[in-house]
Amino acid sequence: LAKTTQPISMDSYEGQEVNITCSHNNIATNDYITWYQQFPSQGPRFIIQGYKTKVTNEVASLFIPADRKSSTLSLPRVSLSDTAVYYCLVGGPYSGGGADGLTFGKGTHLIIQP
Amino acid sequence: EAQVTQNPRYLITVTGKKLTVTCSQNMNHEYMSWYRQDPGLGLRQIYYSMNVEVTDKGDVPEGYKVSRKEKRNFPLILESPSPNQTSLYFCASRPPSGGTLSGKNIQYFGAGTRLSVL
Repeated sequence: LAKTTQPISMDSYEGQEVNITCSHNNIATNDYITWYQQFPSQGPRFIIQGYKTKVTNEVASLFIPADRKSSTLSLPRVSLSDTAVYYCLVGGPYSGGGADGLTFGKGTHLIIQP
Repeated sequence: EAQVTQNPRYLITVTGKKLTVTCSQNMNHEYMSWYRQDPGLGLRQIYYSMNVEVTDKGDVPEGYKVSRKEKRNFPLILESPSPNQTSLYFCASRPPSGGTLSGKNIQYFGAGTRLSVL
């Protein structure tokens, strides 16, 4: 199972672009990279998913280099409401194991200041 | 509206008093799971179910039971709760694995159940 490493916490300011990088050196060929967002006392919410290169939706962009050993979640022009924990998950549709191959870890606590 | 519904949202109980937290999803998902979240420990999976009558242990199954008699429901049962089970619990569901490599692992989470065992 691919293990992920991401910063424990990050700070930024309103209006800035925030980039959160996740390392996943042993990512498998079939693995996708998925990011979730969690606000305090709420369930995690899917943000974006990608396999390679760049993916963009209305919330964020996801950059994945050719070797796929890392990925970067980019949040454009953040606001106070983007303060949350962000989780990077790596797994494929055939992932198995006792935890179904999808481990959330501790995530990155992003704090946005005025 | 597609959703995962947990009940109750808040529960205070005493040690040893059996309780059940219900979870229901309306998306016809085959896969469902339960997580607990504790400060500094992130989300840890308790049990998961790949389909009706198919359940398996996650990372922290001790002290919990689950059942999957219907596709839409996946209750979490604490036969004899203890204070170390005080936590925030989340139920989640997702479409089945397999098929093409796209969007198969997107999980949908409930709003959470905050449990305190005294």
